[in-house]
Amino acid sequence: EIVLTQSPATLSLSPGERATLSCRASQSVSSYLAWYQQKPGQAPRLLIYDASNRATGIPARFSGSGSGTDFTLTISSLEPEDFAVYYCQQRSNWPPAFGPGTKVDIK
Amino acid sequence: QVQLVESGGGLVKPGGSLRLSCAASGFTFSDYYMSWIRQAPGKGLEWVSYISSSGSTIYYADSVKGRFTISRDNAKNSLYLQMNSLRAEDTAVYYCARNRFFGAPRSDYFDYWGQGTLVTVSS
Repeated sequence: EIVLTQSPATLSLSPGERATLSCRASQSVSSYLAWYQQKPGQAPRLLIYDASNRATGIPARFSGSGSGTDFTLTISSLEPEDFAVYYCQQRSNWPPAFGPGTKVDIK
Repeated sequence: QVQLVESGGGLVKPGGSLRLSCAASGFTFSDYYMSWIRQAPGKGLEWVSYISSSGSTIYYADSVKGRFTISRDNAKNSLYLQMNSLRAEDTAVYYCARNRFFGAPRSDYFDYWGQGTLVTVSS
């Protein structure tokens, strides 16, 4: 079973700053990795699939990169609505698994 | 637009049962695989179960295998999760989610989610 770790656990930044979130897999997941955003009291929203493809309607300030075991979600310039928890999820092996999340909060 | 609306959550005693439903609209339900995913209070996301578009292929997380049963009724555009022998650790918000394939067989992610329904297992 593949285990995903995310770092940092919390990222404190100001609006307009760049956010860099990391996800590491315990073994290669190729490019079968997604990123989700979850705001308090809301369901998660798919941001990125297959490591680097933006889902429908996702702003260009969100980008994903990586392959194998190391992945990055970058938010180029934080907007007020981007402060949330971000989860990575692998689909390379069964069962699909999520990372523990990175909370991006306002500094 | 795509909508997924869960119902059926509530308070149940350990060892009890509950049936969750998810009503789908805004897309051709019978074309899509579907999943249940849960989130314990203040915790992360845990995939629970998955069913193919026809219902012929089903998977469960080890934590619920033998206790939970996923099913669907394509004529009613509905997804279900029958939960038996419930435990305190099953307490969570349960989301139904649509699986979307983006090309390759393993390029399969959760592109739409419902708002969730809370299941609380407590005596």
